[in-house]
Amino acid sequence: RKEVEQDPGPFNVPEGATVAFNCTYSNSASQSFFWYRQDCRKEPKLLMSVYSSGNEDGRFTAQLNRASQYISLLIRDSKLSDSATYLCVVTTSGGSYIPTFGRGTSLIVHP
Amino acid sequence: DAGVIQSPRHEVTEMGQEVTLRCKPISGHDYLFWYRQTMMRGLELLIYFNNNVPIDDSGMPEDRFSAKMPNASFSTLKIQPSEPRDSAVYFCASSLARGRTEAFFGQGTRLTVV
Repeated sequence: RKEVEQDPGPFNVPEGATVAFNCTYSNSASQSFFWYRQDCRKEPKLLMSVYSSGNEDGRFTAQLNRASQYISLLIRDSKLSDSATYLCVVTTSGGSYIPTFGRGTSLIVHP
Repeated sequence: DAGVIQSPRHEVTEMGQEVTLRCKPISGHDYLFWYRQTMMRGLELLIYFNNNVPIDDSGMPEDRFSAKMPNASFSTLKIQPSEPRDSAVYFCASSLARGRTEAFFGQGTRLTVV
């Protein structure tokens, strides 16, 4: 089983739609969680951290469920510019905080 | 700060040739990571350094791959000899030595081995 698993998609949604992605992780000792965004032929960039209590940044909401070992990302009122690949990242401490990336979920927002 | 700087941005080489990828991390960052990204396997961690010391190279595919970090501001990833299956985008990233800190990526080197 891969350490971090995501549905690759693509998720194809119209502008204005709400879309949600899930990500599961296998290591219960994982401590930090992030969502990154990667545009085509670009490097991954941090979208938002995921906190235990859940957190929101504008149209984006991230949640963590430690008991079930998954994190989620909700995007409301999708924009064309949200089209990208969203990477789930889990960091596990074994003395070092090493980020492990999921394969990513592709989102396509169409007019 | 200019961010993580990688060079070259693109590299096309013939099978059997030596390839050297370069990375300058963000000043003050303690960790440096080398990742490889392909459509088939996604982002794979190849090796990482902490304070210039290689900590875990278990992700390096085989002995043809080697990485060095002679000082805090420079790292190289070398492939010798290169093979067509090494074709991928290679990313360098750096981060601070704390939990919950993000990794900052360079723009990547797109390697094509023909």
